[in-house]
Amino acid sequence: AQKVTQAQTEISVVEKEDVTLDCVYETRDTTYYLFWYKQPPSGELVFLIRRNSFDEQNEISGRYSWNFQKSTSSFNFTITASQVVDSAVYFCALTTSGSARQLTFGSGTQLTVLP
Amino acid sequence: GAGVSQSPSNKVTEKGKDVELRCDPISGHTALYWYRQSLGQGLEFLIYFQGNSAPDKSGLPSDRFSAERTGGSVSTLTIQRTQQEDSAVYLCASSPRQGSGGYTFGSGTRLTVV
Repeated sequence: AQKVTQAQTEISVVEKEDVTLDCVYETRDTTYYLFWYKQPPSGELVFLIRRNSFDEQNEISGRYSWNFQKSTSSFNFTITASQVVDSAVYFCALTTSGSARQLTFGSGTQLTVLP
Repeated sequence: GAGVSQSPSNKVTEKGKDVELRCDPISGHTALYWYRQSLGQGLEFLIYFQGNSAPDKSGLPSDRFSAERTGGSVSTLTIQRTQQEDSAVYLCASSPRQGSGGYTFGSGTRLTVV
């Protein structure tokens, strides 16, 4: 069985602040994939990133960066210089080789960026 | 089409009626998933189709729920004798062959059972 924990239910920041969204996962599989999705008020889940368990390199994409650490089973997401348009619910998710590729989602973090 | 299309976008039904929700995946995507998003339960996996293989129905909450995928493309999720606890947003996703890339989600169907 696998589990994804997003301990932060809600975060509120002022525009231009940096913010980190935490994600901790549990799985016994050695091969797994981690994802981050954004769900803006419109409701559609927008894919942000996919990372496999064999690739621990951190990744930066514009204002977004991801820190994957197998030693702590964490896959944290940082938004630099946040903007109002970043306001959304962010979900971390996990799938493993043994789970028929179904995604196990965390409970989500509601990020509000204030102007 | 360019994305995953779901219909209807909103559905209000009376308790005890049957409903059908439709998902049209991205052309060429062999994997198709149904998820349910509700306030108390977050995002829950319901069912998974991969090509012509038997579907993984392990997430269906009761035998009132069923789904089919015709011709490896369009999928229909059917809920029989709807209950108020079935009220949720039903999301469909598709992906290319297993394990490649991200899953693309549709905008969902908001089901309200009154």
